[in-house]
Amino acid sequence: GAVVSQHPSRVICKSGTSVKIECRSLDFQATTMFWYRQFPKQSLMLMATSNEGSKATYEQGVEKDKFLINHASLTLSTLTVTSAHPEDSSFYICSAPSSGLAGDRLGDTQYFGPGTRLTVL
Amino acid sequence: EDQVTQSPEALRLQEGESSSLNCSYTVSGLRGLFWYRQDPGKGPEFLFTLYSAGEEKEKERLKATLTKKESFLHITAPKPEDSATYLCAVPGDNTDKLIFGTGTRLQVFP
Repeated sequence: GAVVSQHPSRVICKSGTSVKIECRSLDFQATTMFWYRQFPKQSLMLMATSNEGSKATYEQGVEKDKFLINHASLTLSTLTVTSAHPEDSSFYICSAPSSGLAGDRLGDTQYFGPGTRLTVL
Repeated sequence: EDQVTQSPEALRLQEGESSSLNCSYTVSGLRGLFWYRQDPGKGPEFLFTLYSAGEEKEKERLKATLTKKESFLHITAPKPEDSATYLCAVPGDNTDKLIFGTGTRLQVFP
């Protein structure tokens, strides 16, 4: 099946520092990846769409200079939280659409990474 | 406006007590409805994709069904390990972005 990994799984940092989160599709290529954040007991909130070879597109209200996204290859997207503050503490999850896997229509099903818990002190 | 609504918000079941979760949606052209399971502190795990009314899919104790306006996730004789939040989602109009419901938190007690 489709596997998406994230690294790190957990990070604690001081206020004002920057944190990079990696999202990798392990057994398929993804020209598009999605970044979400999730607060406790709430559903996923889409932050941005990461596009390989071009700029990311951000959802309304998400600061693009705060959350830098780079889609460096067909299997890797990174999210950098710049100058992190306590209010940025959250659970960050990425996803990637499948690509012709058995039983799926091409590009229809999104597979999610295990998430990254960010705590900013 | 595209919208996904899930009910109930929370569900407590005794082990072996079958039940159903509901997901209703409003999108003009459905291009798939997705069910995920999410355990605390983890990313959503893919369960099913349904594409057309009348379609059904099964996996162990779970069966997902789809009509033109809603989907049901039936849980037969649940076990404590089925406890999780179940999310449904649909792609928005003319986009691959998923619109998620708020989920149903299922707790199964032994």
